[in-house]
Amino acid sequence: DTEVTQTPKHLVMGMTNKKSLKCEQHMGHRAMYWYKQKAKKPPELMFVYSYEKLSINESVPSRFSPECPNSSLLNLHLHALQPEDSALYLCASSQLMGGELFFGEGSRLTVL
Amino acid sequence: DAKTTQPNSMESNEEEPVHLPCNHSTISGTDYIHWYRQLPSQGPEYVIHGLTSNVNNRMASLAIAEDRKSSTLILHRATLRDAAVYYCILMRMIHTNTGNQFYFGTGTSLTVIP
Repeated sequence: DTEVTQTPKHLVMGMTNKKSLKCEQHMGHRAMYWYKQKAKKPPELMFVYSYEKLSINESVPSRFSPECPNSSLLNLHLHALQPEDSALYLCASSQLMGGELFFGEGSRLTVL
Repeated sequence: DAKTTQPNSMESNEEEPVHLPCNHSTISGTDYIHWYRQLPSQGPEYVIHGLTSNVNNRMASLAIAEDRKSSTLILHRATLRDAAVYYCILMRMIHTNTGNQFYFGTGTSLTVIP
């Protein structure tokens, strides 16, 4: 199984809502990532988890709260988002010592 | 951030080779060079990666300059399915236990002409 599965594929939320994006992989990868991608721009790294611990936070606002409950799951909790947070959110995983990134298809978020 | 520079767009005729260039003058000795491509409405897909030597796989070849400040992704025979945005990325391992930093460049949008 070489898939990274992201749910939901589409999410529309208001600025006062609380929602979560979910990501799952069963490749035994111990590094997992969240990226944000705006239209016609490259993905921007948000967070890196290794061994279920947050190892890199690229100065992301606290309205984005990542969580890694176990080695297969990665969540991104969303609260009090702004319309400019509307984007494609991509989850990825990799082995810790290099190797390729495996991406999910992304969750397209619209904040109204 | 490890920076890469790529042309915004390129065109190729179908069934002809394509050479996609990337400059990474700030590369450090332990940075790996990765290439990914992204089709519309999909997540990026791994293409190839290397450290110092040229690399070949079923999808493409990667030619790395001797000083490692630039690289070229080679698609040997472009097909319509190769039309995508191609990203050149430097992958930096910060520590064995902290995962890797993959920073995307601006990417090259490849158009394949039938």
